[in-house]
Amino acid sequence: AQRVTQPEKLLSVFKGAPVELKCNYSYSGSPELFWYVQYSRQRLQLLLRHISRESIKGFTADLNKGETSFHLKKPFAQEEDSAMYYCALRYSGGYQKVTFGTGTKLQVIP
Amino acid sequence: DAGITQSPRHKVTETGTPVTLRCHQTENHRYMYWYRQDPGHGLRLIHYSYGVKDTDKGEVSDGYSVSRSKTEDFLLTLESATSSQTSVYFCAIRQAPGERYGYTFGSGTRLTVV
Repeated sequence: AQRVTQPEKLLSVFKGAPVELKCNYSYSGSPELFWYVQYSRQRLQLLLRHISRESIKGFTADLNKGETSFHLKKPFAQEEDSAMYYCALRYSGGYQKVTFGTGTKLQVIP
Repeated sequence: DAGITQSPRHKVTETGTPVTLRCHQTENHRYMYWYRQDPGHGLRLIHYSYGVKDTDKGEVSDGYSVSRSKTEDFLLTLESATSSQTSVYFCAIRQAPGERYGYTFGSGTRLTVV
């Protein structure tokens, strides 16, 4: 069965420090991976998806199939990055449902 | 707005009463999903729909039912609410079927069962 693991419930960093939010997945097929962000009391928003290899708000994520990881990185954290971050895996079959990790709360300390 | 609205935004209900949450989309998307969000569990899929009158169970479907009589509306019903169903419920639509986009989420319904 497919699974997404985010090992950190809370990650606190100082403003200007690098950020790395970890995500590991298990899936026997070809994965499609996403990062979603949820700012305080707001709806979840798509941050980025691996297939487009884009950079949004300074965040990047690289799919490493050997390590089955999709870590989210940013070189310099900003206060407005404080939010809940969810890694998600879309799997084929079953109408392409999405499995989410348990989320990591990023707290950027001024 | 993302073209998806949920109602109500907040609801307090008593144990044992039925509750229906509504998700409405204006983008004519085929796929719709209901998730619940709980601390330590992230988002878990309750039910999903792949067309009018076509629905299926997710990983935490016990105690929930859904209906989709029109493309734009996907209803989630708690048949007899329990305290364990206190949660934030999110509806989602899949962007651009056939394209490799993610979900668009509604603003959520915060449900408290007392």
